[in-house]
This record gives sequence, C-alpha cells and structure tokens, in this order.
Amino acid sequence: GAVVSQHPSRVICKSGTSVKIECRSLDFQATTMFWYRQFPKKSLMLMATSNEGSKATYEQGVEKDKFLINHASLTLSTLTVTSAHPEDSSFYICSARDWERGGSYEQYFGPGTRLTVT
Amino acid sequence: GENVEQHPSTLSVQEGDSAVIKCTYSDSASNYFPWYKQELGKRPQLIIDIRSNVGEKKDQRIAVTLNKTAKHFSLHITETQPEDSAVYFCAATGGYQKVTFGIGTKLQVIP
Repeated sequence: GAVVSQHPSRVICKSGTSVKIECRSLDFQATTMFWYRQFPKKSLMLMATSNEGSKATYEQGVEKDKFLINHASLTLSTLTVTSAHPEDSSFYICSARDWERGGSYEQYFGPGTRLTVT
Repeated sequence: GENVEQHPSTLSVQEGDSAVIKCTYSDSASNYFPWYKQELGKRPQLIIDIRSNVGEKKDQRIAVTLNKTAKHFSLHITETQPEDSAVYFCAATGGYQKVTFGIGTKLQVIP
C-alpha cells in the first residue's frame, strides 16, 4: 500500500529557533501533499496544500511567513516552523494523494510530528 | 468553504452493541466522504469511504450511508469490540481535493 513517512517524529526546540519537518511518500509520487495541525483532543486543521513545483496554498489564518512549505520533488514536502514559540507546540501531520491513482481520492497520512517549543 | 459537523462528540457503548456516528456537510460539490480512526498519538487510519454516487457501503462490521440530498452521512459499527475504542473522524472532500474534517467522536466500548 501507499506509505507516507515523516521526520522527525518528535522534536523539542527552544523558543525563537526554526524547525523543519519532512514528509515523504515512499512508494508513490505525490503531486499534492497536505499539512495539518492537531491540538490535543481536537480535530485536524488543514494548514496548507503543498503542490510540487509551485507555491503552497495556505488556509485562512495560517501565516505563510511563519510556516514555510516547500515541495521540491514528487516525493518530498517540507514544513519549516520559523521563529517557533510555545503556542506553536502541536502535532503536525502531513498527507499525500497517490497521483497515479487518478480516480482515487484517498489520502495517506504520515505518522505525525510532535513539536514542543520550550 | 466546506463545513462538516459531527456528533456525538463522545459515545460509550457496551461491547457487542452498535455505534452510530453522524455527520453533515455544507458544500454540495463535495463528492468523497472518508471515515478515519485515530488512536492516541497515531496517524488517522482510513476505515471506510464512500463516493457521492453511492448510497451505502459495507465492510464487515462497518457500514457507511450517504444521503446526498440531505447532505448527511453516517458511520455504523456493529458488534463493537474493545479494540474499536478510538476517536473517529468523518471528512468531506470537495474542490482541489481539500479535506475538511469533523470534530471527532471519542468512542469507548465497555467490555
């Protein structure tokens, strides 16, 4: 089946530093990847849609200068949280759609990254 | 944009009983409705999905129904087992493959 990995799984950083999270589709090509944020006991909130070779599309209220998204290849998208603050602490999950399964709407989720900003 | 409402937010059932979770959506253009199960600290796992041209779909103990006219869809789990305990999310997929999630239902199956 389609596998999506994320790295790191957990990261603790100091306030003011930047953190990069990688999302990879391991056995398929993904022209589109999605980044979500999930607070404890809450639902997944879409942050942005990452398109290979073009700029990401951000949801309303998400600061594009703070959450930098790069989708440089068909198998890799990165999310960089710049100048992180404690309120950025959250569970970040990416997902990808299998481009070759044109009729499939299914999205495959990564395992998530737990970010803690101290 | 799409708005997905889900209820109940918590649900407790006795082992062996059925559980039903209901969702409504607002965007008539949405055409794909997946259901996810998420265990604590883990990724959401797709358990069943339905497309807008289908009214009902079943996979063993799990079934989903869709009423496109009323814009609501439901998840039915029969013969519940303790391992069914988790948070369940409904979702609606519309334009640009954008997925909007419901708030989630925490299901507890009591042995």
